[in-house]
Amino acid sequence: QVHLQESGPGVVKPSQTLSLTCTVSGDSITGGGYFWSWIRQPAGRGLQWIGRIYSRGGTTNYNPSLKSRATISMDTSTNQFSLELTSVTAADTAVYYCARDFIDSRTYWDYFDSWGQGALVTVS
Amino acid sequence: QSVLTQPPSASGTPGQSVIISCSGSSSDIGTNAVHWYQQFPGTAPKLLIYSNSERPSGVPDRFSGSKSGTSASLAISGLQSEDEAQYYCATWDERLTGSWVFGGGTKLTVL
Repeated sequence: QVHLQESGPGVVKPSQTLSLTCTVSGDSITGGGYFWSWIRQPAGRGLQWIGRIYSRGGTTNYNPSLKSRATISMDTSTNQFSLELTSVTAADTAVYYCARDFIDSRTYWDYFDSWGQGALVTVS
Repeated sequence: QSVLTQPPSASGTPGQSVIISCSGSSSDIGTNAVHWYQQFPGTAPKLLIYSNSERPSGVPDRFSGSKSGTSASLAISGLQSEDEAQYYCATWDERLTGSWVFGGGTKLTVL
């Protein structure tokens, strides 16, 4: 059973860089057909996908609306993947989730099958 | 404003059935599978339906999904009080470089 846990500062100053880490246990982040994604949710609002990194090779995809402020990376030695979001504003205040984006080998559709508990980040 | 359109709210009484819709376009739902997530207050979303109509292990068969053209639906039969939650649809949007997109969410109230 895979388990994901977000960690990082709960408060970030405007214009600075938000940094979060997701620690994965119960599975290798380089094993299997997965993407590892970051998703956020402002208080009382819906979900917004930030981006993802592929478990094999580290290819990344990002939400175009974030205008290149996001960078996702992997550390295979610690079985973690990370998010950096630059030039933050109050609009970036949200609960940030890491999630496993599982690729179904039968259909090649992928979906978020495991989520971390979420980490609240306030820009202030 | 979300790419996928869901009604903001839905309701039903215990035992009733309810359907939550999710509307998109040819570049998202029209091309890719739709997945549904259930979220209780203060908790992370949980996968409820994947690949349009598949249920993960442990999800009751009261929950079912379907897709037709550029729309998808989540049906819940035999409503129970514990079904009161927020429900989100999601799919991959092929526009630009590609991106996951979500519906705005539907708050289901069991009266």
